[in-house]
Amino acid sequence: GAVVSQHPSWVICKSGTSVKIECRSLDFQATTMFWYRQFPKQSLMLMATSNEGSKATYEQGVEKDKFLINHASLTLSTLTVTSAHPEDSSFYICSASGGFNEKLFFGSGTQLSVL
Amino acid sequence: AQTVTQSQPEMSVQEAETVTLSCTYDTSESDYYLFWYKQPPSRQMILVIRQEAYKQQNATENRFSVNFQKAAKSFSLKISDSQLGDAAMYFCAYRLEYGNKLVFGAGTILRVKS
Repeated sequence: GAVVSQHPSWVICKSGTSVKIECRSLDFQATTMFWYRQFPKQSLMLMATSNEGSKATYEQGVEKDKFLINHASLTLSTLTVTSAHPEDSSFYICSASGGFNEKLFFGSGTQLSVL
Repeated sequence: AQTVTQSQPEMSVQEAETVTLSCTYDTSESDYYLFWYKQPPSRQMILVIRQEAYKQQNATENRFSVNFQKAAKSFSLKISDSQLGDAAMYFCAYRLEYGNKLVFGAGTILRVKS
């Protein structure tokens, strides 16, 4: 099956710094990528949808200047958490849609801890 | 807007027994897709089963089957012969069409007792 690679798996950073998370589709062209946020024992909350070559569409309540999403190629999307604060600590998951039947595949997630 | 409701925060099942997880959804569309995902402690999202709304036949994948009731907007998951490895968080999800976002339910934690 198709593979989506998400990196890093976990990151610890100081408050005020920026963190970049990468999501790569390894064997198919991802026309659409989705970024989710998940708190412990809760559901996945969609943050934004990005299509290759166009600006991301953010869900209501998600700060676009805080969570920068770039989908510059059909195999790579990045989420940058700018000026991270402790309340941004969470598990972030990407998913990619594309290929045969436009199936959806998930990355393995990134645990962000902001000190 | 589409919504997905999972009314069972936690469920327990004895190993080798059968358990059913409930899911209801709300939509005004006639064509859509429904999914069950499993999230084990590793937190990797794993697709368990998929159902196309236009298909009347319930989907089945080995020990996993669904009871899809379109008129009632119900989509339950039955796990037969439960195994310790089935212990996980299970999410019901709705998708309007391929290329569109998934809408998730709140999830059900499944515990399997040996």
